[in-house]
Amino acid sequence: DAGVTQSPTHLIKTRGQHVTLRCSPISGHKSVSWYQQVLGQGPQFIFQYYEKEERGRGNFPDRFSARQFPNYSSELNVNALLLGDSALYLCASSEPGGGTDTQYFGPGTRLTVL
Amino acid sequence: GENVEQHPSTLSVQEGDSAVIKCTYSDSASNYFPWYKQELGKRPQLIIDIRSNVGEKKDQRIAVTLNKTAKHFSLHITETQPEDSAVYFCAASWGNQFYFGTGTSLTVIP
Repeated sequence: DAGVTQSPTHLIKTRGQHVTLRCSPISGHKSVSWYQQVLGQGPQFIFQYYEKEERGRGNFPDRFSARQFPNYSSELNVNALLLGDSALYLCASSEPGGGTDTQYFGPGTRLTVL
Repeated sequence: GENVEQHPSTLSVQEGDSAVIKCTYSDSASNYFPWYKQELGKRPQLIIDIRSNVGEKKDQRIAVTLNKTAKHFSLHITETQPEDSAVYFCAASWGNQFYFGTGTSLTVIP
């Protein structure tokens, strides 16, 4: 039974470029959340999507956007990359059951901005 | 928004001793409190969680307590082993939005 998967594993970009990160949730899970984890810090909430609709947004600039597809996979897009965007980007999936649901994390994408 | 504080930031214990990590949260609407273990270079792994209608939960050597009135919750690890060494994160959640603490780096000394 596959867990949450993310691609790519690592990515190196330069300032000003654009990046797309991908996530596939656990089979049967309909909710995907994105987090940014800077080295030495806890994950910071970026977005939550459920049934292709945005259900929550953290305190991140409009350069960050996301979407969810009919198969519940998701993409996180970051435009005009800054050095400070260098971080581990984590995706988590959950199966909404009417309350606050347990989230399971993927392995993350390590983004380095030079 | 929710603010989660976690202490201590680092913790060293002798193998076999107990370890306690404490978190406080600010938003009384938070109703779910998971704890994650993250080993170097790996994904956060859920180790235990508690919901706001429960005061304590135990799973083998790991336990979590919740004091809703004081808005704090704690992770207790008994009989620590070297493989418990990792970074531990607490989180508080409502409406499926999770807010994490800054992490505790636990080292268990053999």
